[in-house]
Amino acid sequence: GAVVSQHPSWVICKSGTSVKIECRSLDFQATTMFWYRQFPKQSLMLMATSNEGSKATYEQGVEKDKFLINHASLTLSTLTVTSAHPEDSSFYICSAGGQYSQPQHFGDGTRLSIL
Amino acid sequence: AQKITQTQPGMFVQEKEAVTLDCTYDTSDPSYGLFWYKQPSSGEMIFLIYQGSYDQQNATEGRYSLNFQKARKSANLVISASQLGDSAMYFCAMREGSATPLVFGKGTRLSVIA
Repeated sequence: GAVVSQHPSWVICKSGTSVKIECRSLDFQATTMFWYRQFPKQSLMLMATSNEGSKATYEQGVEKDKFLINHASLTLSTLTVTSAHPEDSSFYICSAGGQYSQPQHFGDGTRLSIL
Repeated sequence: AQKITQTQPGMFVQEKEAVTLDCTYDTSDPSYGLFWYKQPSSGEMIFLIYQGSYDQQNATEGRYSLNFQKARKSANLVISASQLGDSAMYFCAMREGSATPLVFGKGTRLSVIA
């Protein structure tokens, strides 16, 4: 069964709305989680590293004020897309776990469509 | 510089045949891991196989095997006896050290033909 749960799966909303996406590790504690973004027919690009109890680390070119990340517990990280616009429409996917030889576990992703 | 290179945007294979998906990587870290993931049209990332930089043997998982050539920095995925359900995007990824994010290649879209 899924070890990382991501909600919601789909979001369609109006421009200017803020959208929160949750990523939960179900049967393990995750001090670190990763948020990726994927445009159609492209690869996954790392947006940020979410660290429990401290600030997230953002990749170059990712707007910190646009994509707010909160990792308040060892099992939950949230990504909030603030004042979303059509160009923010994308597939967002989180991952957690995986040290050394263990694979990272991915959530099922969130398809965000901003009208 | 790109760390993971997948040079095949798309591949076709006949059902029941074997197919090799290419992946080359670039790193100066002696400790790294190489992963292959499958992404069907529904979007979820399905882990297929892992190869560690210190592993002496090529990894195998059922119909999947990884042809690891360290000196050439290549980690090709071999799928034997292709099935229609294998049609998907395939991503090669690398992690340097531990507890670090994966870096993905651009992916290869595999289409299995009946």
